Parts: sequence; C-alpha cells; structure tokens
Amino acid sequence: SQQGEEDPQALSIQEGENATMNCSYKTSINNLQWYRQNSGRGLVHLILIRSNEREKHSGRLRVTLDTSKKSSSLLITASRAADTASYFCATDDTGRRALTFGSGTRLQVQP
Amino acid sequence: EAQVTQNPRYLITVTGKKLTVTCSQNMNHEYMSWYRQDPGLGLRQIYYSMNVEVTDKGDVPEGYKVSRKEKRNFPLILESPSPNQTSLYFCASSPRFGGSTEAFFGQGTRLTVV
Repeated sequence: SQQGEEDPQALSIQEGENATMNCSYKTSINNLQWYRQNSGRGLVHLILIRSNEREKHSGRLRVTLDTSKKSSSLLITASRAADTASYFCATDDTGRRALTFGSGTRLQVQP
Repeated sequence: EAQVTQNPRYLITVTGKKLTVTCSQNMNHEYMSWYRQDPGLGLRQIYYSMNVEVTDKGDVPEGYKVSRKEKRNFPLILESPSPNQTSLYFCASSPRFGGSTEAFFGQGTRLTVV
C-alpha cells in the first residue's frame, strides 16, 4: 500500500533559498524517515524521527513530525545545487514489516 | 566499505526468460527487502526477509520469488518475466526491522522486459 504522499511533487528554487517539502501518512507509525535519491540511483538515508519526537535537526536539515495531523515536513536550509534530487518520506508502520514510501518530491536547485 | 551491491545494474531481457538479480550486503544485517520503483507510484515492496530462511511477501509479490539461504545474500528471481515487470529495482538492508534503524539501499537494477 502507498500511504505517504509528498507535497509538492516538484519544487524549483534558487541556490541559497530554503526548501520545504511535506509528507502525509494515514496509519500509526513507529518512526518516519526521509531519504534522498539522485536521479535513478539508490536511496540514501537522511534523517529519522521517532513518533514521540516533534522536531529533529541534522546539519542543514530540519524535520518536524505532527502525529495528530499525521504529517511531517523536511526543511533544507541554504540550499545548494548539489541538493538537487528527489526526496522521499518513509514510514515504519506499526504492524507491518515494511517501510512505506511516498511518491516523492523532485527538488531542483538552480545555481 | 559498508554497502549493498546489486547486479546487474542494467538488464534487457525477453518475455518468459528466467532471470535473477543478485543482492549482497556486507554489514551483517538481518533484514533485507526488495522494492520496485515506478513513475508516480513511488517504491513498493516486493518481498522481505527478517533473517536467514525467513521470507515473506510484500505489497506486490506476484511474479517474483526470493530466497535467503545466507545472511548476506537475497536474490530476486523472475521465473517468467513479463513487460509489466519493467521497472527500477532496489535491494535494501537494515540491522533489523523496526526501532530506529535506517535502511541501506543498493544502486538499483534497471530491468526492461520486451
């Protein structure tokens, strides 16, 4: 099943600007993770936030989680051209032994 | 270097010709899984394995088989490939499933079935 939905589907910004992408999900989760994928390549783990956490930082990344709204956001500050990629949220759903991925946000950072 | 290795990276085959995509991890992870990625559909899980000799179906298992005879290897088998199995396939592993563990992905196998 595909429960995570990212918004927007595509985002184009200038270098130095911040990029925000959102993820909604439908069921109870243990944690939510964000992954990055460069064109056609493997996914790379960025950050994990547990269901009892509300906010987490890692370098230029800030993730928030609102379990009451079943949503999460990923903020990339001071974006760089090298941040150009697709970003996926993935939920570790209670009761399922699988990560459920959203359809992703394609981020284009213009130099 | 810790990694998940898939082979081949690219494969073009004909309908009905059995093929195997190999996946190997060198991190002693218990949990391994296969996903397929299709435009607009994100990643969907095909099969997963909690440990050696323990495998189970994911969301889209039809037309696929897997085996887990050794901890490091988790091959994906297409007994009779069909054009609707044309996709980008990813193998992933993690120390275990659940808790606060991240998944490590292979570089992907782009399969075309004609």
